[in-house]
This record gives sequence, C-alpha cells and structure tokens, in this order.
Amino acid sequence: TQLLEQSPQFLSIQEGENLTVYCNSSSVFSSLQWYRQEPGEGPVLLVTVVTGGEVKKLKRLTFQFGDARKDSSLHITAAQPGDTGLYLCAGVNNDMRFGAGTRLTVKP
Amino acid sequence: AAGVIQSPRHLIKEKRETATLKCYPIPRHDTVYWYQQGPGQDPQFLISFYEKMQSDKGSIPDRFSAQQFSDYHSELNMSSLELGDSALYFCASSSRMNTEAFFGQGTRLTVV
Repeated sequence: TQLLEQSPQFLSIQEGENLTVYCNSSSVFSSLQWYRQEPGEGPVLLVTVVTGGEVKKLKRLTFQFGDARKDSSLHITAAQPGDTGLYLCAGVNNDMRFGAGTRLTVKP
Repeated sequence: AAGVIQSPRHLIKEKRETATLKCYPIPRHDTVYWYQQGPGQDPQFLISFYEKMQSDKGSIPDRFSAQQFSDYHSELNMSSLELGDSALYFCASSSRMNTEAFFGQGTRLTVV
C-alpha cells in the first residue's frame, strides 16, 4: 500500500496549458516536499511545505499544503516543454517516503 | 557547493555476487537515506541513518545491509545478488534541523 498517492499518474499536455497534480495521504506529515526527477538522475528538491494551509510559489509553480498536513497540490501555470519530468512528492516525519509520482509531458 | 557523492556510478555484477555502494553526504548533514528505483518506478525507501544509528527501515531485503560511519558516509552492502536487484540506487542526505534532502546522482547496478 502506497503511503502517498499521487494523481494523475501520467499527464500529457500542450505548451501553455495549466495543470494541477495531487499528493494525498491518510497520514499527517511534519513537512512535505516536492521533487522533480529527470531520467537517470536523482530527484531535485523543488520546495518544502511545513505549515498546514501554506502556499509557496516558485515562478510558474504553486505548491499548497493541506490544512491537515496530509495532502498537497502542485499547480503549474503556462506549462513549458522544460517542465517535462517526473514529479514526486515526499512526506517527511522521521524519515522520507515518496509517492509514485506524476509523469508530466509538455508538448511544444 | 558540495553535493552528495555516490560511487560507483555504474556497477555490473553477476548473480550471487556481492556489491558495495558508497554514499558521501553533504558536509554537516547527519541523516542519510537509501532508495532503490526500478525502471519506470518511484524511489522505494530502503533504510535511513541518523547520527550513525539506523533511523528507519523500509523495504530492504535481508540480503542487504547498510551502515553509517563516523565520518557520516554510508555504505550499502548487497549480497547474493539477484536479477531483480538491477536498479538505480539513490542516496540522499539531510540535516535533522532542516529536513530538505539532496540526492546523489545514483549508482546504476546491473545484475547479469
């Protein structure tokens, strides 16, 4: 059983479109992290959210942590081909566990 | 800035052989995580260490063992290798004070 459920599993969109991906759990986390991974490379940290209800913006990316600290969303505005990759969320308590990821493809 | 260093980057072993993967965390990071990532799969947590003590254990097979040394580097020892052990093995490090984790580039293990 996956501790963190990510949806959708796959997403293919056109350049310029907006999208939202979700990370859900029944567990409460002290913090939640979002990573982006490219093939053959290690995941790269995008953001850490700590406070329930917190919203963080990173250029065209908006991250939100649920009020109960069990879920999170990542919204990308005006997606670009360079956004293509595997987006992983990771829940942090004493350790760090990953969801299965959303594989995003942005077509030019 | 120094990053997480993993060695070797690539490793080819035969079935039933042993392998040792090494991870050198970012300086002043006290926590190390090991993950296994099969083709097209998400990283699966294997084991973690904090201050040289095992912190948590995930889906690490009994054939595998790991430790963190006094200089905080960590080694993942894998014995009786099986074809299914072929994967990318990532190490990540973080500080307990700031849980943001940074990953190495991984070791690609191929068991033939």
